[in-house]
Amino acid sequence: AQSVTQLDSHVSVSEGTPVLLRCNYSSSYSPSLFWYVQHPNKGLQLLLKYTSAATLVKGINGFEAEFKKSETSFHLTKPSAHMSDAAEYFCVVRDTGGFKTIFGAGTRLFVKA
Amino acid sequence: DVKVTQSSRYLVKRTGEKVFLECVQDMDHENMFWYRQDPGLGLRLIYFSYDVKMKEKGDIPEGYSVSREKKERFSLILESTSTNQTSMYLCASSLPDGFNQPQHFGDGTRLSIL
Repeated sequence: AQSVTQLDSHVSVSEGTPVLLRCNYSSSYSPSLFWYVQHPNKGLQLLLKYTSAATLVKGINGFEAEFKKSETSFHLTKPSAHMSDAAEYFCVVRDTGGFKTIFGAGTRLFVKA
Repeated sequence: DVKVTQSSRYLVKRTGEKVFLECVQDMDHENMFWYRQDPGLGLRLIYFSYDVKMKEKGDIPEGYSVSREKKERFSLILESTSTNQTSMYLCASSLPDGFNQPQHFGDGTRLSIL
């Protein structure tokens, strides 16, 4: 069975410092993995996706994520946080060949000035 | 860019009312989805549709139904609302390939049932 665990419900960083949002998954097969961002009162916006082409995936707004099969992880990083990055982030795994999409519980990122 | 439009941003209804939530996408996507989002529970799939007039139950279909008469429009129907249906409702659409197409989301409808 597929599952997704976001290891932190809240992360707080200072502006200009690195961001690390952690995600572990379980999957019987090679999964498709996604990160989405949700700003207050908005829908989810796709940040990046992993589909087995490359283990390091670059997304929008300077975010990137690395797929590590041995660790079953797909952590999201950004070298330098900006105030506008404050939002909730969701790690998502997609079941192979089907419609099952599993969302993590979300990590809320706070950015301090 | 894909645009998914949900007809209402905020709705307030009374228990027992019938509610329609409308969703329209402009990218000719075959797949459409309805989720509800609650604090601490993440997103949960209510129903999805992979073609006109086709629908499949998601994880929490009880108390909901859907309609897809046209490819671009997917409606969520709450036949007789209850307070536990107070939530944020999100619509999404995607292309029909195997599993690596991302879903594109609307801005959500925040529904309050009094």
